[in-house]
Amino acid sequence: AQSVTQLGSHVSVSEGALVLLRCNYSSSVPPYLFWYVQYPNQGLQLLLKYTSAATLVKGINGFEAEFKKSETSFHLTKPSAHMSDAAEYFCAVSDRRGATNKLIFGTGTLLAVQP
Amino acid sequence: ETGVTQTPRHLVMGMTNKKSLKCEQHLGHNAMYWYKQSAKKPLELMFVYNFKEQTENNSVPSRFSPECPNSSHLFLHLHTLQPEDSALYLCASSQEGQGGMYGYTFGSGTRLTVV
Repeated sequence: AQSVTQLGSHVSVSEGALVLLRCNYSSSVPPYLFWYVQYPNQGLQLLLKYTSAATLVKGINGFEAEFKKSETSFHLTKPSAHMSDAAEYFCAVSDRRGATNKLIFGTGTLLAVQP
Repeated sequence: ETGVTQTPRHLVMGMTNKKSLKCEQHLGHNAMYWYKQSAKKPLELMFVYNFKEQTENNSVPSRFSPECPNSSHLFLHLHTLQPEDSALYLCASSQEGQGGMYGYTFGSGTRLTVV
């Protein structure tokens, strides 16, 4: 069965520092992978997705993620953190069995950005 | 309007009240979902509807009653709730039959407080 694990429920970085949020997946078929961001009292917004094209995926707000099959990872990075990046980030894998489109979400990583 | 719209944004209700949450999507999707997001807990998938038919009910208490009259509208009827039901309720939609390539589009959620 598909699953994702997000290492670190809380990550704190300084403004201008590298952001690295970790996600490892488990999937019996080639996965479709997603990163979502959630600001307080808002829904989840799609940041980027991997669907078996380029392994380095660029998303909105300067974020990118690299699919590494050998490491079963899909870590999210941003070279320089902004205060506005403070939010919760969710990694998800698509359950591609049959026609089902169910997303399996990780437990989330809360990113704090210090001035 | 575009995207997924949830109303109301905030709801306070007593334990003996009956209320309904509404979700509407303007994306032409044919699958809709209800999620519960409680503080410090993972996202909980409650119900899944594909082409108006309920395809998943994750052991949700009967005090939560979903209704999907058509592919664009989804309701969550609430009655005799408990304080532990206080949470952010998120609606999402997706296009079935696409192998999970596109992920979900989420609404902004309804913040429910049970008093």
